[in-house]
Amino acid sequence: NFMLTQPHSVSESPGKTVTISCTRSSGSIASNYVQWYQQRPGSSPTTVIYEDNQRPSGVPDRFSGSIDSSSNSASLTISGLKTEDEADYYCQSYDSSNHRVFGGGTKLTVL
Amino acid sequence: QVQLVQSGAEVKKPGASVKVSCKASGYTFTGYYMHWVRQAPGQGLEWMGWINPNSGGTNYAQKFQGRVTMTRDTSISTAYMELSRLRSDDTAVYYCARSRRYSGSYYDYWGQGTLVTVSS
Repeated sequence: NFMLTQPHSVSESPGKTVTISCTRSSGSIASNYVQWYQQRPGSSPTTVIYEDNQRPSGVPDRFSGSIDSSSNSASLTISGLKTEDEADYYCQSYDSSNHRVFGGGTKLTVL
Repeated sequence: QVQLVQSGAEVKKPGASVKVSCKASGYTFTGYYMHWVRQAPGQGLEWMGWINPNSGGTNYAQKFQGRVTMTRDTSISTAYMELSRLRSDDTAVYYCARSRRYSGSYYDYWGQGTLVTVSS
């Protein structure tokens, strides 16, 4: 099976842009969709990006997703940062057996 | 509106079993997979497996094979996750989450989570 590796934490100022990476350890990042979940303290996760770059209804277009085959990674980019974006973010993909794999999570601090 | 409502917190002794329920409403229960994901205190998300409520078919993470059983009762639109031979490191919040029935589909709704504490 493969692993998804995320930075433990990132921080940025309000109004700026931040990018969180998610690197796949083996196999192509492009072969299976990547999802991104936001989890605020004490709450259940919610989806901010699905199928690499799709936004569920209600998620602002400040959130965008992409994949980069050259680095075998996916990225979540949040522009125009707001204090309400402060949360943990998890990437997630799946393998050929439809087993789900989560990244370790990234704590975003908006300071 | 879609809702997944989970059962309340549990405290169990090591070696015991726990069964967590997830009652679905607002959609056709058999039309979506139900997954179980857990989160230990201060840790990340860990996928445990899924059940197809239509057929009862299951797919478990290798880590939990032999200890986890996922079932459903379609008459009351409820999914269950039972974990046996509990250890202290099973202390976690357990979530149910819904996905469409194609491979890799994302979770569009989550339950509120159930805290399971394993302590002697």
